Amino acid sequence: QKEVEQNSGPLSVPEGAIASLNCTYSDRGSQSFFWYRQYSGKSPELIMSIYSNGDKEDGRFTAQLNKASQYVSLLIRDSQPSDSATYLCAVNPGGGADGLTFGKGTHLIIQP
Amino acid sequence: GAGVSQSPSNKVTEKGKDVELRCDPISGHTALYWYRQSLGQGLEFLIYFQGNSAPDKSGLPSDRFSAERTGGSVSTLTIQRTQQEDSAVYLCASSGGGQGGYNEQFFGPGTRLTVL
Repeated sequence: QKEVEQNSGPLSVPEGAIASLNCTYSDRGSQSFFWYRQYSGKSPELIMSIYSNGDKEDGRFTAQLNKASQYVSLLIRDSQPSDSATYLCAVNPGGGADGLTFGKGTHLIIQP
Repeated sequence: GAGVSQSPSNKVTEKGKDVELRCDPISGHTALYWYRQSLGQGLEFLIYFQGNSAPDKSGLPSDRFSAERTGGSVSTLTIQRTQQEDSAVYLCASSGGGQGGYNEQFFGPGTRLTVL
């Protein structure tokens, strides 16, 4: 069974610090990886996608992918209280535009 | 442009009744996905459409669940003879539908279904 694992948290980080969120996946053939942010009572919002090994930066967000270790991470620099949310890691396990497999999410709390 | 829209936003029904949930994808998006999110279960994939065809129905939990998409746009998810365990938020997403699994999926606001 294809699985995506995340630490459920809560992960508490002081305002202005770097928040580091981690995700591992079981299917070595997975090709694309996504991070979604979900506020309580709202639907998931796509914040980052990454397809190749290495780092991808977008503003305060950096996604990191290591396919050999089957590991994806998201770094949030200069964390703000508005970053407090659940962060979902999602993986496309197939070779086409298939449904995503989601982790259960990490609850992030930014302390003012 | 407009994002993914879903209706109704909330639906309360009695056990045993049928319900229909609607999704209107982002204009021009050829791929459409249904997921559901329930407490303790996380977000689980139900079905995927490319155009009007459904290459992957593997996530539908039982034969009480069906979905269709007509005109390559609006999709309807139907749940027959609803059960209390069907209570969840049903989310629809759409993407540009290109090849290679690189498609970014954008979610609608969801329909919260409560089965009494």
